[in-house]
Amino acid sequence: AAGVIQSPRHLIKEKRETATLKCYPIPRHDTVYWYQQGPGQDPQFLISFYEKMQSDKGSIPDRFSAQQFSDYHSELNMSSLELGDSALYFCASSLTQRDRGRETQYFGPGTRLLVL
Amino acid sequence: GENVEQHPSTLSVQEGDSAVIKCTYSDSASNYFPWYKQELGKRPQLIIDIRSNVGEKKDQRIAVTLNKTAKHFSLHITETQPEDSAVYFCAASRTGTASKLTFGTGTRLQVTL
Repeated sequence: AAGVIQSPRHLIKEKRETATLKCYPIPRHDTVYWYQQGPGQDPQFLISFYEKMQSDKGSIPDRFSAQQFSDYHSELNMSSLELGDSALYFCASSLTQRDRGRETQYFGPGTRLLVL
Repeated sequence: GENVEQHPSTLSVQEGDSAVIKCTYSDSASNYFPWYKQELGKRPQLIIDIRSNVGEKKDQRIAVTLNKTAKHFSLHITETQPEDSAVYFCAASRTGTASKLTFGTGTRLQVTL
């Protein structure tokens, strides 16, 4: 079965540079979520999109922005990168079910970002 | 907002023994509770989930129990195997509205031979 695809898988950037992470959800899934996971930490919710509209916002820095496109893929744009942005960035997708809302979230393999 | 506490942070069991991981949540509106298994450097993988209208759910060696009154849910793994070694995260969310997952801090399970 098709899974969530993320690219790139690894990314090395210098401080103050910009980065763009891409996420391709499972086919027919209409909701995308972004999470940040630091070393030894639990995943922290950043932002989510449903049908190309922002659905919820968590602890996402103002330096970060994201959007969902017409083909449902999503991009996380990160500017003025800081050392503390080094982390694993996961995208997850889910399918809205009318009687249950959006539920089971399936995670992509993640993008490992290293800021030097 | 939601706050999820998870215990223990590390757990070592012998192969064949059972493992129990416990979580508590704060938001009484949370009604969906998944458990994820994460191996080092890999993605979180859903292993079982439970909704608030159910008290217990079982899938082979894995079971989850939910006590809505106490805002408490637990993961039970029986007949543990070395391949069960990983970090396990509980999570909580509301369905139908903002469905972000709030994770617990994780339990590192080590199954020894």
